[in-house]
Amino acid sequence: KAGVTQTPRYLIKTRGQQVTLSCSPISGHRSVSWYQQTPGQGLQFLFEYFSETQRNKGNFPGRFSGRQFSNSRSEMNVSTLELGDSALYLCASSFDGLGLTDTQYFGPGTRLTVL
Amino acid sequence: DAKTTQPNSMESNEEEPVHLPCNHSTISGTDYIHWYRQLPSQGPEYVIHGLTSNVNNRMASLAIAEDRKSSTLILHRATLRDAAVYYCILRGRSNYQLIWGAGTKLIIKP
Repeated sequence: KAGVTQTPRYLIKTRGQQVTLSCSPISGHRSVSWYQQTPGQGLQFLFEYFSETQRNKGNFPGRFSGRQFSNSRSEMNVSTLELGDSALYLCASSFDGLGLTDTQYFGPGTRLTVL
Repeated sequence: DAKTTQPNSMESNEEEPVHLPCNHSTISGTDYIHWYRQLPSQGPEYVIHGLTSNVNNRMASLAIAEDRKSSTLILHRATLRDAAVYYCILRGRSNYQLIWGAGTKLIIKP
């Protein structure tokens, strides 16, 4: 079974631009979660999508948004990029995201650098 | 949300057992204890989870204290490939989302 894939793997943008990151979950998984990882803040939850609906949201500004398609693939968008948005963005998929024993499978991440 | 406390880093010798501790004194009765690890330049990967009883799988063992206020991840014979940051996370009905702490950076010495 193919794992979680994320594209692109690396991205360099300048302040003020916007960016779209893509995530393809494991086949059969309907829950996709996004995380931001920085050296200072660690792993922080951005949002989770299930059946094309945002089910949970972390504490991030509205510049961070996402969506999920009918095939469970997900995209996240960051508008008006700031230097502090430089981070590793991780996508994780799971079967339904609600089971207390539900395992999350992570992709390799997209490394975003904002100049 | 229930929180966990882990040492910032630990060192161990290759081919020796490693015991990674985690304190979770505010755990509730329905919270599961999950462990993930993140190898360098990779996304986190699932290691093991448990509720009350000790658990074993091909990667590790999880020992849970009787009062469930602490747990220990045991790598029976560490290799250089086990060098990673290990995260202990609680997951319960009040927080389906995984809440990540800083984790423990495990350094394996050859």
